[in-house]
Amino acid sequence: AQSVTQPDIHITVSEGASLELRCNYSYGATPYLFWYVQSPGQGLQLLLKYFSGDTLVQGIKGFEAEFKRSQSSFNLRKPSVHWSDAAEYFCAVALTDSWGKFQFGAGTQVVVTP
Amino acid sequence: DTAVSQTPKYLVTQMGNDKSIKCEQNLGHDTMYWYKQDSKKFLKIMFSYNNKELIINETVPNRFSPKSPDKAHLNLHINSLELGDSAVYFCASSVGAAGGQRQYFGPGTRLTVL
Repeated sequence: AQSVTQPDIHITVSEGASLELRCNYSYGATPYLFWYVQSPGQGLQLLLKYFSGDTLVQGIKGFEAEFKRSQSSFNLRKPSVHWSDAAEYFCAVALTDSWGKFQFGAGTQVVVTP
Repeated sequence: DTAVSQTPKYLVTQMGNDKSIKCEQNLGHDTMYWYKQDSKKFLKIMFSYNNKELIINETVPNRFSPKSPDKAHLNLHINSLELGDSAVYFCASSVGAAGGQRQYFGPGTRLTVL
C-alpha cells in the first residue's frame, strides 16, 4: 500500500543545533516530494519540493532535503535551528497522475529549547 | 493581498446544525482542495475541484458537500454536524491538478461541534 511515514512524532532540539527530520515513502514509482511547515495556528507553508534532478534540494528558511531513491527517503535538514523553527513539519507525496492528491505524513513536531 | 483565504477562522456550533465554510483564492489557480486535519494533526484530503469540476472525492460522509461557484471559490457545506466533525479544515489551491503542483494553503477554519 502507498504510504508516507514520518517516524519521529516529536523532536526536541537546542537552538543552534542541527536538525534532521525523516520521511520515508512507499510507492511503486518515485513520487513528487514536498516538505511543508505549519506554525501554531497557521496554515501550511511550502519549504521545498523535489521533482527530479539534483537530489539535494534547497528550500526557504535555510532548510534543505536530500532524496535517496535506494532508501525511499526524503529527509529534511537544517544546520542550525532558530527558535522560530518550532513548528509542525509535514512530508507530503503526490504521483503524476494523482490529480493533485497529496498524501501527508503524520507530521513531526519540533520543539526548540534555549 | 491574502492568497488563499477562509471564513470563518473559528466556528463553534451545536450537533445537528448545518454550517458552511468559505474559501477564496486570488492566485488565478484553477484547482482547489479541502483538507481535514484531526486532533492528532493528521491531514487528509477530502475534495478537489479543477475548473469547477469535482476531480477528487475521498470517502467522506455525504453530509459534506463542496460547491465551486467559480474557479476562485470552493465552499464546504456540512449538514447535520456531528462531534467527530470537529477539526481544522484547510482550503488549498494549485495551478492545474497534476501531481507535482505546489499547493497553497489557507489559514484554516477550526470547527468545534458541541
